[in-house]
Amino acid sequence: KQEVTQIPAALSVPEGENLVLNCSFTDSAIYNLQWFRQDPGKGLTSLLLIQSSQREQTSGRLNASLDKSSGRSTLYIAASQPGDSATYLCAVRPGDSNYQLIWGAGTKLIIKP
Amino acid sequence: SQTIHQWPATLVQPVGSPLSLECTVEGTSNPNLYWYRQAAGRGLQLLFYSVGIGQISSEVPQNLSASRPQDRQFILSSKKLLLSDSGFYLCAWSVRRGSDSPLHFGNGTRLTVT
Repeated sequence: KQEVTQIPAALSVPEGENLVLNCSFTDSAIYNLQWFRQDPGKGLTSLLLIQSSQREQTSGRLNASLDKSSGRSTLYIAASQPGDSATYLCAVRPGDSNYQLIWGAGTKLIIKP
Repeated sequence: SQTIHQWPATLVQPVGSPLSLECTVEGTSNPNLYWYRQAAGRGLQLLFYSVGIGQISSEVPQNLSASRPQDRQFILSSKKLLLSDSGFYLCAWSVRRGSDSPLHFGNGTRLTVT
């Protein structure tokens, strides 16, 4: 059974620092992996989607990597800003499902001005 | 551009009352539609998904039902709410073709059953 873990559950860093959020999964048979951010009381915003055949995806200051064999993905945020404060969730689509996503519990990120 | 609307934003309902949450998508056709629930301190749980009008698949047996009367409209309902139905309900859509398209979420409905 696929399980997705995000460590740490919470992270607080000063503004301007580069940081890495971690996501691990137990079954390497995935179709893709997605990173989302969720602001308090709001819905989720899709940040990056990495196909199983890809190693990384970039969007602005965000870079997501995928190492399927080791069951790991990282989300790298460069030059963090207070506006980056949110909960970041990763989700994997199992290779045998067209619709199901397996979700991590998220990392709550606080960027201190 | 595509947008997704979900309402109401918050709802307080007594136990035993009915429920109807509505979600509509604009700017795309034939989307896959999803209802998720996010309980406090827990991950997202897929409740229902739909690949077309009248086509609903349920992931978890529960007190809720879903309907898709139009291509871009998805409704979550209950005849009698339970306390355990409280939570944050999220509607989402994705492009139908290819399961490699990202999910796009609405802003959610905070439901409190009292």
